[in-house]
Amino acid sequence: KQEVTQIPAALSVPEGENLVLNCSFTDSAIYNLQWFRQDPGKGLTSLLLIQSSQREQTSGRLNASLDKSSGRSTLYIAASQPGDSATYLCAVGETSGSRLTFGEGTQLTVNP
Amino acid sequence: KAGVTQTPRYLIKTRGQQVTLSCSPISGHRSVSWYQQTPGQGLQFLFEYFSETQRNKGNFPGRFSGRQFSNSRSEMNVSTLELGDSALYLCASSYGHKEHTEAFFGQGTRLTVV
Repeated sequence: KQEVTQIPAALSVPEGENLVLNCSFTDSAIYNLQWFRQDPGKGLTSLLLIQSSQREQTSGRLNASLDKSSGRSTLYIAASQPGDSATYLCAVGETSGSRLTFGEGTQLTVNP
Repeated sequence: KAGVTQTPRYLIKTRGQQVTLSCSPISGHRSVSWYQQTPGQGLQFLFEYFSETQRNKGNFPGRFSGRQFSNSRSEMNVSTLELGDSALYLCASSYGHKEHTEAFFGQGTRLTVV
C-alpha cells in the first residue's frame, strides 16, 4: 500500500525567503506525482505535474523535482510571498494516474 | 474554459438520511474521481469513473456509491449518513489516459451530518 509523507508539517518563513518542501513515497512504481495548494476551506489548485519519466517541472517561482528510485520529490519555492501562504499537498498517481494518494500536507505561512 | 463545478457547496443532513452530490468536469474530461477530506484522515480516494464505468474504488463502505452520465457529469451518493461522514467532498476531473492525467479539483461540497 502506497504511503506518502510530507515534511515539515508546518513552516513559517519571512517574505522573500527561498524554501523547500519535501515529499516521500514508499512504492516507486508510480505513474506521476502532482503538487497542489489548498487555501482554507477551498478545493485544490494544481501547481505542477511530473510524469514518472520526468525529473523536474518548473512554473514561475516553483520548481518540483522527482527521484523515483529514492521515492522522493521536492517543491522549491523561490522568493516567497505572503500570497504563497497555504497548505501544500503532494499526491502520487497510480494506475494511469487516476487514483491519487495524498500526503498530509505542509502548512506554509509567509510573514510580511 | 470552465473549471470543475461541484454542487451544492454546503449541505447539512441528519443522521440516517441520504445525500447526493454532483460534479461537472472540465469539458472534454472523461475521468471523474471523488475524495473525502477530514482533519483526522486527510484526503482519501473514494472512487473513479471513466466513460460511465467505475474504474477504481477506494476502501469505503458500500454506503458510498457513485455514477457517471454520458456527458461525464458524476454524482456521488451516501446512504444512511453517519456523524463520521461529515467532511469536505472533492471531485477531480482529468482526461484520464496516457500522458493527459493532470487532475483538476472543484471547490468541494462541505457536508455536515448532525
